[in-house]
Amino acid sequence: GQQLNQSPQSMFIQEGEDVSMNCTSSSIFNTWLWYKQDPGEGPVLLIALYKAGELTSNGRLTAQFGITRKDSFLNISASIPSDVGIYFCAGLLNAGGTSYGKLTFGQGTILTVHP
Amino acid sequence: NAGVTQTPKFQVLKTGQSMTLQCAQDMNHNSMYWYRQDPGMGLRLIYYSASEGTTDKGEVPNGYNVSRLNKREFSLRLESAAPSQTSVYFCASSERWSPYNEQFFGPGTRLTVL
Repeated sequence: GQQLNQSPQSMFIQEGEDVSMNCTSSSIFNTWLWYKQDPGEGPVLLIALYKAGELTSNGRLTAQFGITRKDSFLNISASIPSDVGIYFCAGLLNAGGTSYGKLTFGQGTILTVHP
Repeated sequence: NAGVTQTPKFQVLKTGQSMTLQCAQDMNHNSMYWYRQDPGMGLRLIYYSASEGTTDKGEVPNGYNVSRLNKREFSLRLESAAPSQTSVYFCASSERWSPYNEQFFGPGTRLTVL
């Protein structure tokens, strides 16, 4: 099936540092989503991107929908301990056929923040 | 407004046993989904229901069945559990079946098959 390549797989940073992670795909997506999963919980939507080139912020989070529609990045500024968790990118296709409307996930980036 | 709820939160089964995972949403969403999450694999779609009365296979449907009981509820059944089905299962819903609709997730069911 479809695959999103998400990197890095894990990050260990100090509190206050900025974080950057990205996702790439061989397919074009109509929507890019970034989710965060806290330990023992389900993924929670952080940011949704609907247009190529779109840059969206949500507090200390900034995400961009790549101009080619095949990539997206997420930045977290001035990290804090509660940023710890797994961050997933996900894409929604509008390619028609069996892929229409299905959400494809990256493998996740595990973020650890040291106080 | 509880969003998406799942029961049970934890379950241990022996190989060959059957069980049903329950999911309900109170957001009046049309579409519902079942995913499994395995380490290093992200989330993979098992089955989905684009609208009440319809269900379709996702990426990894083998060994599972689903029922869209009504607009609110979507259950996942393991008829004969296998160790390979040890995973965390997430239910999700979205307003409609569209490339532009975010999906909202439940808290998950952690299943171990011995």
